[in-house]
Amino acid sequence: AQRVTQPEKLLSVFKGAPVELKCNYSYSGSPELFWYVQYSRQRLQLLLRHISRESIKGFTADLNKGETSFHLKKPFAQEEDSAMYYCALSAHTGANSKLTFGKGITLSVRP
Amino acid sequence: NAGVMQNPRHLVRRRGQEARLRCSPMKGHSHVYWYRQLPEEGLKFMVYLQKENIIDESGMPKERFSAEFPKEGPSILRIQQVVRGDSAAYFCASSPSPREEQYFGPGTRLTVT
Repeated sequence: AQRVTQPEKLLSVFKGAPVELKCNYSYSGSPELFWYVQYSRQRLQLLLRHISRESIKGFTADLNKGETSFHLKKPFAQEEDSAMYYCALSAHTGANSKLTFGKGITLSVRP
Repeated sequence: NAGVMQNPRHLVRRRGQEARLRCSPMKGHSHVYWYRQLPEEGLKFMVYLQKENIIDESGMPKERFSAEFPKEGPSILRIQQVVRGDSAAYFCASSPSPREEQYFGPGTRLTVT
């Protein structure tokens, strides 16, 4: 069975500070990892997925298979980054891409 | 494209009543996923459907819960004889194919009194 762990519930930083949102996973196969974001009063949306290797809104995440981690990083936080962030995993079993989510972390960026 | 639509956005039911939650996927999307979010928890997978077929219902409680995605019309998640523990936010997501991005709806918040 797969599991996603986000060990912290809240991270509060000042504008311009670096951000690292932690995510660890448990899965014996080759998963695909995602970060989803939910801004206030908006729906959940995909921020990035590890296979695309893109940097979105200045965020990056590297899949570390040795440490089974997929931490989300941004060197300089902005106030508009304040949101709820969820790490998720897809096992892609056959044609089924159901997602397993972590509990999420609230990022608060203060001016 | 209006995005994934869910209705109602808020639903209040008394214990023992039925709840029907609707999800209209994005145009061109034939794959629908339902997730449930309890307070202080992440989203948990419930069921995955393609048009007229249930592909994976491993996350659905065995009793009182059912889902469908007919050839015409929205996907429906049905909860019979609701109990207080069913109070949660229910999210629907759709994708054009299994390995493509899932687009989420705004969710339906169910409150059982």
